[in-house]
Amino acid sequence: QKEVEQDPGPLSVPEGAIVSLNCTYSNSAFQYFMWYRQYSRKGPELLMYTYSSGNKEDGRFTAQVDKSSKYISLFIRDSQPSDSATYLCAMSSYSGGGADGLTFGKGTHLIIQP
Amino acid sequence: EAQVTQNPRYLITVTGKKLTVTCSQNMNHEYMSWYRQDPGLGLRQIYYSMNVEVTDKGDVPEGYKVSRKEKRNFPLILESPSPNQTSLYFCASSLSVAGETQYFGPGTRLLVL
Repeated sequence: QKEVEQDPGPLSVPEGAIVSLNCTYSNSAFQYFMWYRQYSRKGPELLMYTYSSGNKEDGRFTAQVDKSSKYISLFIRDSQPSDSATYLCAMSSYSGGGADGLTFGKGTHLIIQP
Repeated sequence: EAQVTQNPRYLITVTGKKLTVTCSQNMNHEYMSWYRQDPGLGLRQIYYSMNVEVTDKGDVPEGYKVSRKEKRNFPLILESPSPNQTSLYFCASSLSVAGETQYFGPGTRLLVL
């Protein structure tokens, strides 16, 4: 199965707060984990990707993958109003013999209140 | 500038009138795909292509066709559009078939009457 679960929100937090966004999945074959940001009426923009388990940090953003729990997270520190957007998680498995494509969560709508 | 372009950006058409949405990327990516995005359903893959002349169905391929005659272009064809194909469509490309560096186009908003 390819199901990815993501709380749609909206999630509303004050400016400067730490934001935690999460996805759970059921397919243990997933190896690549991505987070996208999508502003209204725009295409998704890749924020970060992680291969297998572990953490990855890029500026105010930190991605975590826990394959044992089938759970991924995106943390945003010092959140800004410009971070207000829909955040999509995505994941894929690549066996080398073909592509399964990306499976997306339905997105969490995040609102940062000034 | 590295980018994925789509045309048209907005399209209103009628049931049964064939249409093509073009997609082009300038990053020399081998992997390209088409998605549709609907409220409450999220992004769903329609078709993907691993290279020139290599295409395969995604999760929701019914009613769509694609072709990949050149590496940079991946048009989406609706031979006989129906109202349930009203949606927001995105083309995407990535260097790897794993899709971990996938770039999306700006989207095409389609309304089928």
